[in-house]
Amino acid sequence: DAGITQSPRHKVTETGTPVTLRCHQTENHRYMYWYRQDPGHGLRLIHYSYGVKDTDKGEVSDGYSVSRSKTEDFLLTLESATSSQTSVYFCAISFSRLSQETQYFGPGTRLLVL
Amino acid sequence: DQQVKQNSPSLSVQEGRISILNCDYTNSMFDYFLWYKKYPAEGPTFLISISSIKDKNEDGRFTVFLNKSAKHLSLHIVPSQPGDSAVYFCAASGNTGNQFYFGTGTSLTVIP
Repeated sequence: DAGITQSPRHKVTETGTPVTLRCHQTENHRYMYWYRQDPGHGLRLIHYSYGVKDTDKGEVSDGYSVSRSKTEDFLLTLESATSSQTSVYFCAISFSRLSQETQYFGPGTRLLVL
Repeated sequence: DQQVKQNSPSLSVQEGRISILNCDYTNSMFDYFLWYKKYPAEGPTFLISISSIKDKNEDGRFTVFLNKSAKHLSLHIVPSQPGDSAVYFCAASGNTGNQFYFGTGTSLTVIP
């Protein structure tokens, strides 16, 4: 299994509060991704990173920001959480950004915004 | 708009029989397809992939078939085992880089 951990694994927060989710990898992979999983939508890409301090938006990036100050850590921040951001969040990593490169996923963080 | 579709939310199969999970896509630029398996409270795990230059790829009990003209792929599991019970996601990527588009998943139950 790829060495990917996510913290926290579960989080309950209130609307309007900031939340930061952390993804940590031990594989020294350059590319890291944040997805959210929702019923009826599968997994959707929020943001991704292609190196330290290099990030870009995915298809559902509104309301989210990311940072990557070290190769091994990729942070996802909800500046002001809303109920629509209740979801399961997955981090993924890949060695390259070639279209035929497999992504490996972390265990997920379940977030509930009340 | 969903570019990758799994139209069967669930599937039940007897142990030892074949499981066939289907996936359709709309974007003709997709050239790499994967299947992931997901157990509850865990992340998706990579199962098998296929490039658009092939129409079949096998790995043990798992075979993925790709029909480019129909924009359709399927995952065959033979023989099915109770431990195969999970949610299966298909995913696709194309020449826009390593952004994967996922289907909504099919929950497979293998009945002992």
